[in-house]
Amino acid sequence: GESVGLHLPTLSVQEGDNSIINCAYSNSASDYFIWYKQESGKGPQFIIDIRSNMDKRQGQRVTVLLNKTVKHLSLQIAATQPGDSAVYFCAESPYSGGGADGLTFGKGTHLIIQP
Amino acid sequence: NAGVTQTPKFQVLKTGQSMTLQCAQDMNHEYMSWYRQDPGMGLRLIHYSVGAGITDQGEVPNGYNVSRSTTEDFPLRLLSAAPSQTSVYFCASSYSPGRYEQYFGPGTRLTVT
Repeated sequence: GESVGLHLPTLSVQEGDNSIINCAYSNSASDYFIWYKQESGKGPQFIIDIRSNMDKRQGQRVTVLLNKTVKHLSLQIAATQPGDSAVYFCAESPYSGGGADGLTFGKGTHLIIQP
Repeated sequence: NAGVTQTPKFQVLKTGQSMTLQCAQDMNHEYMSWYRQDPGMGLRLIHYSVGAGITDQGEVPNGYNVSRSTTEDFPLRLLSAAPSQTSVYFCASSYSPGRYEQYFGPGTRLTVT
């Protein structure tokens, strides 16, 4: 079954506002998390990642926060732009001691930008 | 670099037909994988490979075969297509399994009637 999930299937924000997309995971042994952006008709595109020994990581206009106590991951997008409109997926890599497991993806949140 | 390429972009099959979805990468990545994406769901792992000659099953392997004869190519074969295999298929590659960024191809949209 799903080991990662997102709280909201759709999130609508005003252009220029900050967006926060949430994700819950259930595998406390997961040690690597990624956020992907998927625009309509395209493959997922890497945004930012974070390892379990960190609680925050910043990129360009994006910040990922990891709260291992409550097994919660969030993606913050600053000053949302029309080009941010997409489906956002969180994914986790379960700790497997060097094994070859793929990522486990959540169901995605569709971010809609309103003018 | 072309990155990860997939062919075809679209395909319609009749139930029982077989076909091969092609995937190639030019980044010399050891790890390659196939996912399917169904409406309203995240990506689910079908098969993966940690290097040439080595493949393994993912979450939903039934009805699919893979092989990895070279580092660059990782084709996915549908042996006898079923309507339940209607989906969008993505190939991905990364330097190392799990803990590194995966690069995705543009996808193949498959419809089985």
